[in-house]
Amino acid sequence: AQTIHQWPVAEIKAVGSPLSLGCTIKGKSSPNLYWYWQATGGTLQQLFYSITVGQVESVVQLNLSASRPKDDQFILSTEKLLLSHSGFYLCAWSLGTNSGNTLYFGEGSRLIVV
Amino acid sequence: QQKVQQSPESLSVPEGGMASLNCTSSDRNFQYFWWYRQHSGEGPKALMSIFSDGDKKEGRFTAHLNKASLHVSLHIRDSQPSDSALYFCAASERGDSNNRIFFGDGTQLVVKP
Repeated sequence: AQTIHQWPVAEIKAVGSPLSLGCTIKGKSSPNLYWYWQATGGTLQQLFYSITVGQVESVVQLNLSASRPKDDQFILSTEKLLLSHSGFYLCAWSLGTNSGNTLYFGEGSRLIVV
Repeated sequence: QQKVQQSPESLSVPEGGMASLNCTSSDRNFQYFWWYRQHSGEGPKALMSIFSDGDKKEGRFTAHLNKASLHVSLHIRDSQPSDSALYFCAASERGDSNNRIFFGDGTQLVVKP
């Protein structure tokens, strides 16, 4: 069975400080990987996606970056946090097909920027 | 303009009742639709996918898709308190090179015991 693990579960960070969020998928080779952002109780905004190691595409610019250093790992980061970065960050995977991919989400990382 | 619109924003039904959620799209290129459910503090989980016109039933959940009107609905019969959650409609295009999946703003469902 496939499992997806996100870390950390929650963080409180200062404006201007760096951030790194991680995601690991086990039990599925070569998945598509995604980062989503969610304001409290809000909709899901796709940030990045990756179809293979070392290749990441940005969907929306939010002063964040993403990397896929291994087939099963996806990292979201920034060097300088903004207040607007607060929210719920969700990693997801899907089958590596072109269309009609169901997303399987992790449990999320809650970020509060103060 | 948001590509996926959901209604109502919130819905309260009694335990054992029927909950009906609606979703419309403004993009005629959308071919694939999903309903996701998110309990508070958790990641969303896919409830159902529906890719063809008509009804799709899974247990207490029935989804209906009408591609001509770009309308998809979700009906939950015999609603349970554990069904209380935020429900998202999602859609994507065939062969989208950006692998984009668009989500609506969600419907907050409360099932009262």
